[in-house]
Order: sequence, then C-alpha cells, then structure tokens
Amino acid sequence: AQSVTQLGSHVSVSEGALVLLRCNYSSSVPPYLFWYVQYPNQGLQLLLKYTTGATLVKGINGFEAEFKKSETSFHLTKPSAHMSDAAEYFCAVTSLQDFRSSNTGKLIFGQGTTLQVKP
Amino acid sequence: NAGVTQTPKFQVLKTGQSMTLQCAQDMNHEYMSWYRQDPGMGLRLIHYSVGAGITDQGEVPNGYNVSRSTTEDFPLRLLSAAPSQTSVYFCASSLSGGVPNEQFFGPGTRLTVL
Repeated sequence: AQSVTQLGSHVSVSEGALVLLRCNYSSSVPPYLFWYVQYPNQGLQLLLKYTTGATLVKGINGFEAEFKKSETSFHLTKPSAHMSDAAEYFCAVTSLQDFRSSNTGKLIFGQGTTLQVKP
Repeated sequence: NAGVTQTPKFQVLKTGQSMTLQCAQDMNHEYMSWYRQDPGMGLRLIHYSVGAGITDQGEVPNGYNVSRSTTEDFPLRLLSAAPSQTSVYFCASSLSGGVPNEQFFGPGTRLTVL
C-alpha cells in the first residue's frame, strides 16, 4: 500500500527566506507524486507533479520539487518566500500500476503542512 | 468553463437528517471523486467514479452513497447524518487516458452535524 508522510504540520518562515516542505512516500512501485496548495477557504490547486523523466520538477509560483528515489522523498522548495505563499500544502502519491489496474487515478494524500510567512 | 462547482458552500444538519451534496463539472472529465478533509488527516477518498454509471468505494465510504447518471454530475448523499461526518467535502475531476492526470477540485462544502 502507498502512503505519504509530511514532516511538520506547521512551518514558519520570514518573507524572502527559503521555503522547504518535506514529503516522504512509501510505494512498492514507481510513484507518481504531486504537490497541491490550498489557500484559505478554497479548493486544492496543483503546484507540480512528477511522473517520469527529469527528477527536478518546476511548478507554478516559483516552486520546485526533486524526486529522490534513494531517499523516497519529494520535498518542495522555493528560494524566496512571499506573503502570498501562506497556505496549506499537500503532498500526494499514486502509481501508474494502480492507475492501470483500476483506472481510477486515486490519490493518497499526506496530512498537510501549513506554511506561515512572517513579514 | 466554470470548472468544478459544488453546492451548498455551507450546511448545518441535525443528527439523523439526510442531504445531498451537489458536484458538477463542465470539462467532460471521465473521472470524478469525493474527498473529506479533516484537521491533521489530509484528504481521504470517499467514493469515486470512472464514468457515467460506474462508481466504487474509496477509503471511507460508510454513511455515504453516490451515483453517476451523467458525465457532468456526481452527487454525494448522506443517508443519516452523524456528528462524525462533520467535515469539509471536496469534489474533484480529471481526465482519464492512460496516465494519472491532474485532479481539479471544487471550492468545497463545509458540513456541520449537530
């Protein structure tokens, strides 16, 4: 079974500082990995995804994530935090094998990390 | 395109009442799903559908029913509401087509069961 662990339910950074949100996954097959962002009182929006190929993935709003198979990690980073980045961030996993066996596209989500940006 | 729409935005129920949460999408997506979001638990899959007439259970299906009579609509029914069903509910949709695709989420329905 697949699972996702996000280390740290709350992360606080100063404006202009590096953002690092941690995600570790467990999967017996090659994973597809996603980061979603949820702004207050809104639905989730895709930030970026890793399927195959290049392990460094660039997303919207200056975010990027690196897939590290040896560490089973997919940490999200942004060089310089902006006040508008304050939100909740979710890491999610699925796999091509699961998708093809059930054609469902089911995602397993982590618990979420709330990012606070201080002026 | 309106994307994924959900109604109502807020709802308060008494224990034992029933209700239907509505979800519609105008992107011609085959795959639709319902999640519930609870603090510290992320999103958990309730039910999903891979096309009209086809539904299946997710991780936490008890107390909920779904149907998919059209591609556009995927309502979620609470048969007899319980306080444990107090949560924020999100509907999502995506294309099928051989690989997992981006899921588009609605704005959510905040449900309180007293």
